Formats: sequence, C-alpha cells, structure tokens
Amino acid sequence: NAGVTQTPKFQVLKTGQSMTLQCAQDMNHNSMYWYRQDPGMGLRLIYYSASEGTTDKGEVPNGYNVSRLNKREFSLRLESAAPSQTSVYFCASSEVDSRRQPQHFGDGTRLSIL
Amino acid sequence: AQKVTQAQTEISVVEKEDVTLDCVYETRDTTYYLFWYKQPPSGELVFLIRRNSFDEQNEISGRYSWNFQKSTSSFNFTITASQVVDSAVYFCALSEAVGSGAGSYQLTFGKGTKLSVIP
Repeated sequence: NAGVTQTPKFQVLKTGQSMTLQCAQDMNHNSMYWYRQDPGMGLRLIYYSASEGTTDKGEVPNGYNVSRLNKREFSLRLESAAPSQTSVYFCASSEVDSRRQPQHFGDGTRLSIL
Repeated sequence: AQKVTQAQTEISVVEKEDVTLDCVYETRDTTYYLFWYKQPPSGELVFLIRRNSFDEQNEISGRYSWNFQKSTSSFNFTITASQVVDSAVYFCALSEAVGSGAGSYQLTFGKGTKLSVIP
C-alpha cells in the first residue's frame, strides 16, 4: 500500500523560480492537507482541501497556491520561490475533514531555495 | 486559538530506561481530539494514537502508554524499557476547527520532543 506519495523527495531551486509539489493518495480519502516543517517547529498548515473541489487557506498560505486536481491528487505551487520557503513539506490525507480522523502523511519533500 | 506545548525540546536516555514525554494543551472546545505522531530519523510521520476529550482512560500498547488528564490539560506519553529504535522526534497535536465552513479541521502541532536512546 503506497498511502500518500509525494514527489519529488528533494529539490533545490533558485530564488524566483517556480515549482509544483505533487501529492497523491490511494486510500480514497476525501480530505487533503499541505504542511511545512521548519527546524525546531512543529508542522504548520499551509492549505487544505476538505473535499474534492474545495480548497482553503491554513495558517501560513502566503506565497503558495494549491490545486485539488481530483480526489486523489492535491498539488502545492510556489510561483516565485523565496529563501524563506526553504522547508520540508508534508502532504497528508484523512477520510473526512473531521476532528476525529487521524491524518496520514507522506514522506515529505525537502526543498531548498538558494 | 488553540495551543500545544511540548516543553522538553530534547531528551536523552540510556537503553532500557523509561521515559515520559510531556504534552500540555489549551483549547476552548468542549469536544476535541489529541494525537501523538512519531518522526524517526528517516523523516516520515507515523500516527501513534488518538484520544478524544470524553475518554480519560489511560491506554497501553506494548511498551507505549498514554496518560490523559483533562484536569491538567495534559496528554503525556511514556515509553517503557526504551530501545534504540525509539529514537525519533515525537509530536503531540490537537484538532481544531478552521475556516468559516462547517466541519473543517486542522491539527495544531507542538514543536516536538527529540528523543535519543543511547545503547
């Protein structure tokens, strides 16, 4: 079982470049999330999609856009990368957008912006 | 706003020692859920346990146990007879409602506790 798959696993960008991080889940989950993890911090929510066709901002949405392409896929786009966006990005999914449901995470994408 | 505090940034123990990881939370919700996740050195996040605010029973799973005390807003995690494979960063998280739409939730994470188990 693949669970939540993120691509790429590593990426180095120059300031100002654009990039899309891909996420796909095969658990038939309705809700998907993007987080970033910075050293010494917990995870912070960037955007989420409670169900197919909807997206909403989380705690730190500035500089990012998302697309819920279909039920399986949720992508995160950096239009003009900045060094402050150097981070580890995690995609997660859950059955429904309920406080009860544990979120299942991908392995992360390690992104460096030079 | 909800908040999760993991006051212990790093802990080192010798193998076979018991260790407790602390988690204190703040919320105004009457119904909420708490979670623990493990992040081993390989980097992935692994779900360990979920606890709802109405169930204050402690839970044991093998060498892992969780102590939920609503009166002190704490949800502590104990590893008994620690092993090297337990070395990881452990995150406590609290579910909270977000946005204006009904039924949208996010996890609020603590900053994590890095546990090192020395052989």
